[in-house]
Amino acid sequence: GENVEQHPSTLSVQEGDSAVIKCTYSDSASNYFPWYKQELGKRPQLIIDIRSNVGEKKDQRIAVTLNKTAKHFSLHITETQPEDSAVYFCALKAGANNLFFGTGTRLTVIP
Amino acid sequence: EPEVTQTPSHQVTQMGQEVILRCVPISNHLYFYWYRQILGQKVEFLVSFYNNEISEKSEIFDDQFSVERPDGSNFTLKIRSTKLEDSAMYFCASRKPGGDTGELFFGEGSRLTVL
Repeated sequence: GENVEQHPSTLSVQEGDSAVIKCTYSDSASNYFPWYKQELGKRPQLIIDIRSNVGEKKDQRIAVTLNKTAKHFSLHITETQPEDSAVYFCALKAGANNLFFGTGTRLTVIP
Repeated sequence: EPEVTQTPSHQVTQMGQEVILRCVPISNHLYFYWYRQILGQKVEFLVSFYNNEISEKSEIFDDQFSVERPDGSNFTLKIRSTKLEDSAMYFCASRKPGGDTGELFFGEGSRLTVL
């Protein structure tokens, strides 16, 4: 499957600070890049996605940026809150509409 | 809001036994998927299914695995002879038909423990 590298693997921030998670990929044909949040013992849930025809998308405190030339995309969370604590997975669409996931980032927001 | 549902939520089985995990995708979705997640690791693609056939499968999805849509609502994953390394959370997912939308909707998962 498609190789998606995700960094960092763990991230701790103080409440109110920003968090940034970055993913890199190799398949230049990929055109859809979602981010999923997974709370402990729960299913992954989509929080934001971006398509290859735009460079940035924002939804309240969450934003995603995409650099297709450099083949990386990033998740930005501003004004972090304790309930943002979870594992975040980047993903991309490859092949026959399948998603391939990054290795995950465990975000801890310290109150 | 419609959801993907999975049963059982947890299954414990002996090595070598057959296991069937069941999923009911969202009713107007046409693309179905199985993913697995070994504890503490990433979500790994197993297989995708569309129009009553497998459209893509990963190297994990070997001859021990099979999928079926036995009726209009269920989508099953069968593991013929389970191994210890099959222990994982198995997520079913589905997606709307057509166009540009890529969002996968995941079920709550079935935790498989092979002893």
